[in-house]
Amino acid sequence: EVQLVESGGALVQPGGSLRLSCAASGFTFSTYWMHWVRQAPGKGLVWVSRINSDGSSTSYADSVKGRFTISRDNAKNTLYLQMNSLRVEDTAVYYCIRDRTGDPPIWGQGTLVTVSS
Amino acid sequence: SYELTQPPSVSVSPGQTARITCSGDALPKKYVYWYHQKSGQAPVLVIYEDSRRPSGIPERFSGSSSGTMATLTISGAQVEDEADYYCYSTDSSGNHRGVFGGGTKLTVL
Repeated sequence: EVQLVESGGALVQPGGSLRLSCAASGFTFSTYWMHWVRQAPGKGLVWVSRINSDGSSTSYADSVKGRFTISRDNAKNTLYLQMNSLRVEDTAVYYCIRDRTGDPPIWGQGTLVTVSS
Repeated sequence: SYELTQPPSVSVSPGQTARITCSGDALPKKYVYWYHQKSGQAPVLVIYEDSRRPSGIPERFSGSSSGTMATLTISGAQVEDEADYYCYSTDSSGNHRGVFGGGTKLTVL
């Protein structure tokens, strides 16, 4: 069964850091691009970042560029999102998504990040 | 930055056809994906790559794309289709940056 399981969400103070993980199983992780998407409470979906299959190329939304870093470990079938200098407006459920042309995207269940003092 | 534009709301009676549009300058070159999301639940993919329907999604859901506009059509909308609908695509910058539309609240009553 194809599965993505996010973890690492927590309550953190403004200015703090957090690393999210997304464990993949049931498919060949190394052949898929991966994305992070977030949704603040009561708000719409927002794309955050993506990484290509071997980790050599990344891109970010303007709102997180310079603060967040996406990475992957294909040997561990795991995607990461390192979040630094967190702001109150980063509060959201964060989802990881697998992406490959010809396949329907698959989403994880999400992990909640709360930035508050 | 690149934007996708959706109408804030669409309303139909049960059994009618609902159409939700999504416009963006890069759509002639980029696929569109559609999600629906009910309150408190995770998004559910209903259409990918403009017009492909994932397994388990009812046939009443269909997608099309022409020029700078994509359309999600729900033929014979049902009360259970009431949800927020989001389109998703990528920009044409070469950086493959994603973008979601602002969402459309579909009311079926």
